[in-house]
Amino acid sequence: EQLVESGGQMVQPGRPLRLSCQASGFRISLTTMCWARQGPGKGLEWVSLILPDGRDAKYEDSVKGRFNIVRDNTGNTIYLQMNRLTSDDTGRYFCARAGTGGSFDLWGQGTLVTVSS
Amino acid sequence: VLTQAPSVSVAPGGAAEIVCGGDTFGDSRVHWYQQKAGQAPVLVITSDSGRPSGIPDRFSGSNSGTAATLTINRVEVGDEADYYCQIWDTRSDHGVFGGGTKLTVL
Repeated sequence: EQLVESGGQMVQPGRPLRLSCQASGFRISLTTMCWARQGPGKGLEWVSLILPDGRDAKYEDSVKGRFNIVRDNTGNTIYLQMNRLTSDDTGRYFCARAGTGGSFDLWGQGTLVTVSS
Repeated sequence: VLTQAPSVSVAPGGAAEIVCGGDTFGDSRVHWYQQKAGQAPVLVITSDSGRPSGIPDRFSGSNSGTAATLTINRVEVGDEADYYCQIWDTRSDHGVFGGGTKLTVL
């Protein structure tokens, strides 16, 4: 079981960016999936979550209205579309699988997003 | 808001206690993650006191309702890492992490 993120890069403020998370070894169609992030030298921050059928998603307040999480169950991949990026969005973005009781039981290695002019 | 002390130090072979405080966890379960430098987080305690497969029994957890504790017995140098508590806040329907505690093994 593995999660591999991609798509992170340096981007200018205000520009969009899409991150991908490819799962292997399990079917994401059976599980809730999420994104979390970690700013440079900072702690973990939950960002977003999407239910197995994709019909409902949740967002941390600072990204609500700017970020959109979607899933492709056929491709076993989830995405995070990030719009109107600011320097506060700089950090490593992790994809994670939701486990029991609201935990996150499998994490990818993360992909680095740098927002800078 | 989940509150953690920034750092804890312990000698090899000793016991480390890392505390996570909150106004009240309500019916939320507390989970703990270990993050070593440059690596992804790893779930070490789930739902207050459960141990995922592969996690040594030196790791244990408890929850009093307003404070959760991660205890690491017989601490090893390899346990040096940042430790984060986390809940799913059912009132806001958001994931919430504590600020993290850096465990130093002297």
